[in-house]
Parts: sequence; structure tokens; C-alpha cells
Amino acid sequence: QKEVEQNSGPLSVPEGAIASLNCTYSDRGSQSFFWYRQYSGKSPELIMSIYSNGDKEDGRFTAQLNKASQYVSLLIRDSQPSDSATYLCAVKGDYKLSFGAGTTVTVRA
Amino acid sequence: NAGVTQTPKFQVLKTGQSMTLQCAQDMNHNSMYWYRQDPGMGLRLIYYSASEGTTDKGEVPNGYNVSRLNKREFSLRLESAAPSQTSVYFCASSEARRQGGSPLHFGNGTRLTVT
Repeated sequence: QKEVEQNSGPLSVPEGAIASLNCTYSDRGSQSFFWYRQYSGKSPELIMSIYSNGDKEDGRFTAQLNKASQYVSLLIRDSQPSDSATYLCAVKGDYKLSFGAGTTVTVRA
Repeated sequence: NAGVTQTPKFQVLKTGQSMTLQCAQDMNHNSMYWYRQDPGMGLRLIYYSASEGTTDKGEVPNGYNVSRLNKREFSLRLESAAPSQTSVYFCASSEARRQGGSPLHFGNGTRLTVT
């Protein structure tokens, strides 16, 4: 079992819709959770971090964390073509940070 | 503010050749990392350094060596390149000394092809 798993996608959503990305992790003791966005041919950039159960909102992005079920999700509201990218989930366990393989999102106009 | 700067951006090597990837950060971060990214594999940690003078192996260290020259610079060396090392390499830094203790800031990447 991979330490961090994401739906590989691609996920195609119409402009203005909600894109929902999921991430599950295996280390029950994980403490910190991050979402990075990576445009094609570019480097990852942090868009959200979440550390406690519940929702965290930042503009059109909402991260949701459920430690009991060991999943973290990212919602992108009012999706725009500029949101087309690969989204990487990263999870910090006791001593290391692990990345998922990423979910590619395409927002169609 | 340049952030994390990597050189070179592109490199083509023949099998058996050696090269060093350079990385420097100007954010006064404690930790620095080298990752490789392959299609469908996500980011895999090669080596990291929690502070100057210390380095630790990550998930895929074989075939690589690193040097934390000072707080700013962290280099990655391929002594004898192999086609399996064809990849995109990212350097990153973070404020915290512990992996994942604070968000990572990435360089622009080096696209390496080994023929």
C-alpha cells in the first residue's frame, strides 16, 4: 500500500463547477497535510496546509481533513481554466514527508 | 527575492558521465531537499539536509551524493549517470529542520536526460 494515494485522474470539470480531489494516507500518526499545485513543466507551489480536523478555506480553495478516516480533500469552487494543473497531496508522518502521485485537473471552458 | 535557484535547467548526459546539480536558497531556511519526479511516481526524496553539515538519505539515494556546502547551498552529484536517472530534479527548502515541519519552497527544476 502506498503511503499517500490520490485519484490519478484526469479530472475534467466545466468552468464554474466544483472540483473535488481526494487523498488517503496510511500513517495514522500523520500530523501535517499540504496541497501543492503544479502547472505543466513548472515546479510545485503550496496552495493549502491543514493541521487539524475540519475545513480550512482560502479563497476558492477548501481543504478538509478527517484524521479518523485518514483522508484529506481539496475542493476548488468556481473552477477556472487557470486551475488546470496537477494537484499533489503531501502528508507528514512521524519523521518524513510523503507525496502522492498527483491528480490532474482540466477545467473546460 | 530569488527564493530557490537551481542550475542547470536542462542537461543531457551520456551513460557513465558525471555532473553536479547546484541549488541555492536565499530565504535563510534550515532544511534543503533534493527530489526527483517521474511520470506516475510523484515526488520521491533523494536526500535531505536538516542543517548545514548534516545530510540524510531519502527514499531513492542510490547513485547520488550530496553536499551541504553552507546554509544556502545544497548540491546533488551523479558520479556515473545511468538511463534510470533520467528525470526531473527539484531542489526545495523549508524553514523547519524536520521534514514536513513547514511548507516546501521549490526551485524551477532540472530536466536531465541520460542516453
